[in-house]
Amino acid sequence: NAGVTQTPKFQVLKTGQSMTLQCAQDMNHNSMYWYRQDPGMGLRLIYYSASEGTTDKGEVPNGYNVSRLNKREFSLRLESAAPSQTSVYFCASRAAFSGNTIYFGEGSWLTVV
Amino acid sequence: AQTVTQSQPEMSVQEAETVTLSCTYDTSESDYYLFWYKQPPSRQMILVIRQEAYKQQNATENRFSVNFQKAAKSFSLKISDSQLGDAAMYFCAYRSAVNAGNMLTFGGGTRLMVKP
Repeated sequence: NAGVTQTPKFQVLKTGQSMTLQCAQDMNHNSMYWYRQDPGMGLRLIYYSASEGTTDKGEVPNGYNVSRLNKREFSLRLESAAPSQTSVYFCASRAAFSGNTIYFGEGSWLTVV
Repeated sequence: AQTVTQSQPEMSVQEAETVTLSCTYDTSESDYYLFWYKQPPSRQMILVIRQEAYKQQNATENRFSVNFQKAAKSFSLKISDSQLGDAAMYFCAYRSAVNAGNMLTFGGGTRLMVKP
C-alpha cells in the first residue's frame, strides 16, 4: 500500500530558486494538506484542499502556492526560496467522513542555502 | 482558533515502567477529535491513539491509553511497560469535527527518552 507519497525526499536549494514538492495519495481521499515542521517544533499547516478544485490558506501560507491538480495530487510550490523555508514538509490526506484519520507522507527535507 | 499545549519538552522513563505525557487544548467547540502521534528519528508521523470528544470512555490501544478530561480540556497519554522503541517525539493534536478542512492543530511536542 503506497498511501501518501511525496517527492523529492531531500532537496537543497539556493536562495531565490523555485521548486515544487509533489504529493499523491492512492486512497481516494477528498482532503489533502501541506504542513511544515521546523526543528524542535510541531507541524504547522501551510495550505489545505478540502476537496478537488478548492484550496485554502493555513497558518503559515506566505511564500508558498499550491495546486490541487486532481483528486490524487496536491503540489506545493516555492516561487523564490528563502533560508527561512528550510524545514521538513509533510503532505497528508483524509477521507470525506469527518471522523476519518489523517494519513501522513514520509516527509520532504528541504534546505535553502 | 484552537491551540494545543504540551508543557513537557522532555520526559524520561525507565524501561518497563509507566510514563504520562500531558496535553491541554483550548477550543470553543463541543465536537472534535484528539490524537497522539509518535515521530521517531525517521520523522514519520505515526498515529498512536485517537479520542472522539463525544465519547466519555477513554481510548486504549494495547500499552497506550489516554485520560480525557473534557471539562478541563486535558488529554494525557499514558504509556505502560515502556519499551526502548517508544523513544520518540510525541505530538498531541486537535481536529474540529465541523469546520471546513478539518485540519490538525499540533502541540509543540514532548521528547520521550527510554532508559534501559
